[in-house]
Amino acid sequence: GAVVSQHPSRVICKSGTSVKIECRSLDFQATTMFWYRQFPKQSLMLMATSNEGSKATYEQGVEKDKFLINHASLTLSTLTVTSAHPEDSSFYICSASRGRGGNEQFFGPGTRLTVL
Amino acid sequence: GQNIDQPTEMTATEGAIVQINCTYQTSGFNGLFWYQQHAGEAPTFLSYNVLDGLEEKGRFSSFLSRSKGYSYLLLKELQMKDSASYLCAFEDSNYQLIWGAGTKLIIKP
Repeated sequence: GAVVSQHPSRVICKSGTSVKIECRSLDFQATTMFWYRQFPKQSLMLMATSNEGSKATYEQGVEKDKFLINHASLTLSTLTVTSAHPEDSSFYICSASRGRGGNEQFFGPGTRLTVL
Repeated sequence: GQNIDQPTEMTATEGAIVQINCTYQTSGFNGLFWYQQHAGEAPTFLSYNVLDGLEEKGRFSSFLSRSKGYSYLLLKELQMKDSASYLCAFEDSNYQLIWGAGTKLIIKP
């Protein structure tokens, strides 16, 4: 099967600090990786789509300078929440896909971010 | 424009059958996904429909009608562990996924 890992699974940080979340596809090459945010009792909200070696495409309303995404290889993407604030507290989920056109997305286990 | 709609919450009894509907509107369509998400966990893939018709996979089946912009997920022989949110999402012509808000399914003994 296709496995996607995320690290850390849970992080608590102080307001103003930066937090980096790693997303790895363990047994396949992910052409495309997606970053989602999910607030309690709400649906997934796509933040950005990244293709290996190119700049991420951010959804409307998502600040690219605040949520830095790096997709340096076919198996690793990172999301850095810069200068985190309490309103950034959320469940961040990454997913990886082998490509477009019906390729299912394999989801990481998610990262629970709490900003104090 | 694009939109996708599914019921917010449904309740069913253990051992019964439940159908979760999903309707969508879009000018470009490649396929439709169903995902299951347990509380506090990431979604897991259930099905992907491209062509019209019913696809069966064990206790779960998914149906698609492209002309009607309609899909449903059918769960048979419900078990308590099926209590979860079920998310439908369609893939548009740019291969973007447009997500529904999810249907919370509550299973009662």
